[in-house]
Amino acid sequence: ETGVTQSPTHLIKTRGQQVTLRCSSQSGHNTVSWYQQALGQGPQFIFQYYREEENGRGNFPPRFSGLQFPNYSSELNVNALELDDSALYLCASSFGGGVPDTQYFGPGTRLTVL
Amino acid sequence: AQTVTQSQPEMSVQEAETVTLSCTYDTSENNYYLFWYKQPPSRQMILVIRQEAYKQQNATENRFSVNFQKAAKSFSLKISDSQLGDTAMYFCAFMKPRMNSGGSNYKLTFGKGTLLTVNP
Repeated sequence: ETGVTQSPTHLIKTRGQQVTLRCSSQSGHNTVSWYQQALGQGPQFIFQYYREEENGRGNFPPRFSGLQFPNYSSELNVNALELDDSALYLCASSFGGGVPDTQYFGPGTRLTVL
Repeated sequence: AQTVTQSQPEMSVQEAETVTLSCTYDTSENNYYLFWYKQPPSRQMILVIRQEAYKQQNATENRFSVNFQKAAKSFSLKISDSQLGDTAMYFCAFMKPRMNSGGSNYKLTFGKGTLLTVNP
């Protein structure tokens, strides 16, 4: 069974640029959630995708957007990067089949905005 | 909105000893789930243990056990026989399942974490 994977591992961007982060869900999972973890803080929920549709969103501006593909992999896109977007971005997959299920996390992408 | 509080920013324990990490939460919900995750320096968030609020029995996973006090909204983690590999940031998390046609999972709300160091 393949776990959750994320790419890239690290990324450096400058303010105003756009970035795309990728996540492959664990085998058998159809739900992907994205979290932002600032240094020294707990992860904050960005949004969740279930069967290719957004299934809930946290308190993040519209320049944070996402996609989920038919194979349940997912992308997180951030436009007009700001310095405060520097963080560890975590994705987690789970099975949203009517029974609340545990979310399993990937290793994260460290984004640095200069 | 739900909040999760971990009042111990840092803790340390000697190898082979027992340590308890505290977590309290605030919710008006009756049905929810609680989790402990660990995040070692490698930064991958790893599930330690899960507790369903409707279950009175405290969850256990090998050396890890919880003390779930629903009325007090308290969810502490006990680590027995601490090992060097237990050194990590530990996060308490709350989930209120949302049942709708779009799937039943919903967001995790995390505390700020407790940095646990196991000393040889």
